[in-house]
Amino acid sequence: QKEVEQDPGPLSVPEGAIVSLNCTYSNSAFQYFMWYRQYSRKGPELLMYTYSSGNKEDGRFTAQVDKSSKYISLFIRDSQPSDSATYLCAMSGERNYGQNFVFGPGTRLSVLP
Amino acid sequence: ETGVTQTPRHLVMGMTNKKSLKCEQHLGHNAMYWYKQSAKKPLELMFVYNFKEQTENNSVPSRFSPECPNSSHLFLHLHTLQPEDSALYLCASSQEGGSPLHFGNGTRLTVT
Repeated sequence: QKEVEQDPGPLSVPEGAIVSLNCTYSNSAFQYFMWYRQYSRKGPELLMYTYSSGNKEDGRFTAQVDKSSKYISLFIRDSQPSDSATYLCAMSGERNYGQNFVFGPGTRLSVLP
Repeated sequence: ETGVTQTPRHLVMGMTNKKSLKCEQHLGHNAMYWYKQSAKKPLELMFVYNFKEQTENNSVPSRFSPECPNSSHLFLHLHTLQPEDSALYLCASSQEGGSPLHFGNGTRLTVT
């Protein structure tokens, strides 16, 4: 079993749709959870950064963490064509050191006008 | 200049060439990283430097040689690469113990 699983997509939605992106993981020691957005020919850009369980909202983006199910989600409301990108989930353990970050393979999202 | 800057953006090299990738961070972070990104695969951690000291070498072949002269600059020296080394090479930085990774835009490497 891979440490972090993420559906690679591609996922295509119409403009204005609510998008749900998900990752599952196996290591119960993970405490910090991140979502990165990566546009074509660019590096990953940090979108959301959360600690432990619960929800965090930032504009049209909401991150959810369910540690009991080892499941994290990113919701995008009122999706826009500019949201078309690859979304990477990442997580790390208690010490939150860079070398302990584990990434999913990414989900490719296309928002169609 | 802000964030993490990588040069060159694109590099094509033959298997017998020697080249170097450069990374500079302007965030005041004390840790820097090299990652390899291949299509449809998770990011692969290659090297980690904390306060200029290498603390991680993730079983990377010796044809990749990192150098960290100070906490703001990181290099990846390349020699006698193989075609399967073609990938996007990403540099990142962080403040140890308290922050997520911040990435540059990468160098797209093609080995012919």
